[in-house]
Amino acid sequence: QVQLVESGGGLVKPGGSLRLSCAASGFTLRDYYVSWIRQAPGKGPECLLSIGSTDTTIYNADSVKGRFTISRDNAKNSLYLQMNSLRAEDTAVYYCARAPGIAVHFFDFWGQGTLVTVSS
Amino acid sequence: DIQMTQSPSSLSAFVGDRVTLTCRASQSISTWLAWYQQKPGEAPKLLIYKASSLESGVPSRFSGSGSGTEFTLTINSLRPDDFATYFCQQYNSLVTFGGGTKVELK
Repeated sequence: QVQLVESGGGLVKPGGSLRLSCAASGFTLRDYYVSWIRQAPGKGPECLLSIGSTDTTIYNADSVKGRFTISRDNAKNSLYLQMNSLRAEDTAVYYCARAPGIAVHFFDFWGQGTLVTVSS
Repeated sequence: DIQMTQSPSSLSAFVGDRVTLTCRASQSISTWLAWYQQKPGEAPKLLIYKASSLESGVPSRFSGSGSGTEFTLTINSLRPDDFATYFCQQYNSLVTFGGGTKVELK
């Protein structure tokens, strides 16, 4: 069955970096539009970046432009989020999520999330 | 950017009640709207897409309606498992989520 499993979260100091991973199973990641979505405590989700089958990166959030990048390893069927210059306001649970079609960007499968805490 | 506003931010209801949650978009999004349910410590779960299409496996007591800028999610006959937070999401232009409505047991 379809599964997404995130890893790599943790405590990091302001200005630091972190790389999150999302391992996919039950489907081929490169055939789908997949996104990194975060949710700060008590807030609604925020879609950050997405990548489609053509490897084009789509930025949904201006706040992460120039700091976060999304990438994919087709051989490992995995998605990554490289986060640099982290700020306290980046503290959140980070999810990877899959859209069911190329042109429809709602999310039918989500990972369980990984917590990122940015604090000194 | 398209802003999504949900109301109310919370509501209290009894098991068996019918509740209606509202989501408003800052500009027209046609019917490019999804609804999710989220329980504490869990990821959001897709309920409705394209404003009114029920995701496979979701009980028929959930229904969605609306187009343009105003949308509703209705839960008929609330069950104990339905007490959760509900989010709307537009996908007409990039992706934006609403702030959520928490449905609590009265």
